[in-house]
Amino acid sequence: EAQVTQNPRYLITVTGKKLTVTCSQNMNHEYMSWYRQDPGLGLRQIYYSMNVEVTDKGDVPEGYKVSRKEKRNFPLILESPSPNQTSLYFCASSLWVQGSGEQFFGPGTRLTVL
Amino acid sequence: KQEVTQIPAALSVPEGENLVLNCSFTDSAIYNLQWFRQDPGKGLTSLLLIQSSQREQTSGRLNASLDKSSGRSTLYIAASQPGDSATYLCAVRLGDSNYQLIWGAGTKLIIKP
Repeated sequence: EAQVTQNPRYLITVTGKKLTVTCSQNMNHEYMSWYRQDPGLGLRQIYYSMNVEVTDKGDVPEGYKVSRKEKRNFPLILESPSPNQTSLYFCASSLWVQGSGEQFFGPGTRLTVL
Repeated sequence: KQEVTQIPAALSVPEGENLVLNCSFTDSAIYNLQWFRQDPGKGLTSLLLIQSSQREQTSGRLNASLDKSSGRSTLYIAASQPGDSATYLCAVRLGDSNYQLIWGAGTKLIIKP
C-alpha cells in the first residue's frame, strides 16, 4: 500500500530533550516536506527536500533540523524542544514533476512539549 | 504575497443537500490547486488536484473548478452524507523556485443526518 508513515504518532516530552520524528514514504517520491498545524494559523511549512541531500527552509524553520540521506526517509529533528513547538506535525511527499505532483500526507504526530 | 482564503469557516447542512465550498487566492500565478479533507485528529487526504491549465476535476460526488483569472476555486459536493463531515482545505502551489504550497484555513463541514 502506497503511504507516508510517521512515528511516533503522539509524543509528550520536556523542554530541551532532543527528539526525532521519523517520516518514510514508499512511493519513490522525490519531494518531501514537513508542516506544522496550529489552531488559527493553518498549515505552515517547516522544511522541504527536493531530493536526496537537497533540503531547504520553509516558512517556520527555526528550532528544527532535517536530513535527507535516503530518498524514502525525511526525519524531523528538534535539538532543544520548547513549549512553542507544541503542535500537530505532518510529513508529506509527492512526485517532482515540475511541481505538478499530488501531495500525500502522513497521519500526523501530535507533539506536546512541557 | 499569495494569500488563500476559505469562506465560510464553518458550514452545517442537512443530509442530502448539494453544497459548495469556496477558496480564493490573491495571485493568479499558481501552478496548481489541491483540495484536501481532514478528519479530526487525522492526516490530510487528497481529494482533487487541478493543474493551472485545467478548469475542473471530478471524482465521484465531488467536482472542483478553477478560475485563475478571478482567483477562485469551488468544491462542489453532491448529495451530501454524514460521512462527508470533515474540514476541507485548499492549497495553491506557487510557480516560483520552490513551488511552495500556500494553505487556506479550511472550512469545517457538518452534515446533519
